[in-house]
Amino acid sequence: DAKTTQPNSMESNEEEPVHLPCNHSTISGTDYIHWYRQLPSQGPEYVIHGLTSNVNNRMASLAIAEDRKSSTLILHRATLRDAAVYYCILREDNQGGKLIFGQGTELSVKP
Amino acid sequence: DSGVTQTPKHLITATGQRVTLRCSPRSGDLSVYWYQQSLDQGLQFLIQYYNGEERAKGNILERFSAQQFPDLHSELNLSSLELGDSALYFCARTPEGNQPQHFGDGTRLSIL
Repeated sequence: DAKTTQPNSMESNEEEPVHLPCNHSTISGTDYIHWYRQLPSQGPEYVIHGLTSNVNNRMASLAIAEDRKSSTLILHRATLRDAAVYYCILREDNQGGKLIFGQGTELSVKP
Repeated sequence: DSGVTQTPKHLITATGQRVTLRCSPRSGDLSVYWYQQSLDQGLQFLIQYYNGEERAKGNILERFSAQQFPDLHSELNLSSLELGDSALYFCARTPEGNQPQHFGDGTRLSIL
């Protein structure tokens, strides 16, 4: 399984944008880039995913580098409720959809 | 609402015992996944079922087993429990295997 590398922790101020980086230099052509987050005392929550092009949804944006070796999850205006552990995961379509979680980035948001 | 119901929410038992964790996905969701989250190992994939059949296997101990029933609910059976089995156990669902997974709130298992 291809691996991802994320910073252990990041801090943000409320109502400011947050850019969460992820490196995946061994990504293969069939790997999708998925982001999940886990709020305290809850199960992981799907955020966004993409293959090659940048993606936007109501929660966040995903910017994927042209060589696909890195990506950035963008929260446009951080709120206190966005404080969570964010996981960047590579998932192959032909492997039953299992998710291999790394350590993730713990995001704290200051008021 | 994730569309996944896990029961019980909390379970306290002793070493050597056997427990069953239940997961009820939303109607029509064919895939069910089980994950374990412990302090030292993080979130680990255990096993996946698709429409009643085992589809993928991860770091699942031989003392653990799972099944998916015709109504698509799933059960994770843990036997000969050890202190190290204390963890959060999550179930996730998808309608088809390649779509994003939606997780339940988990069952917290405490072994005394």
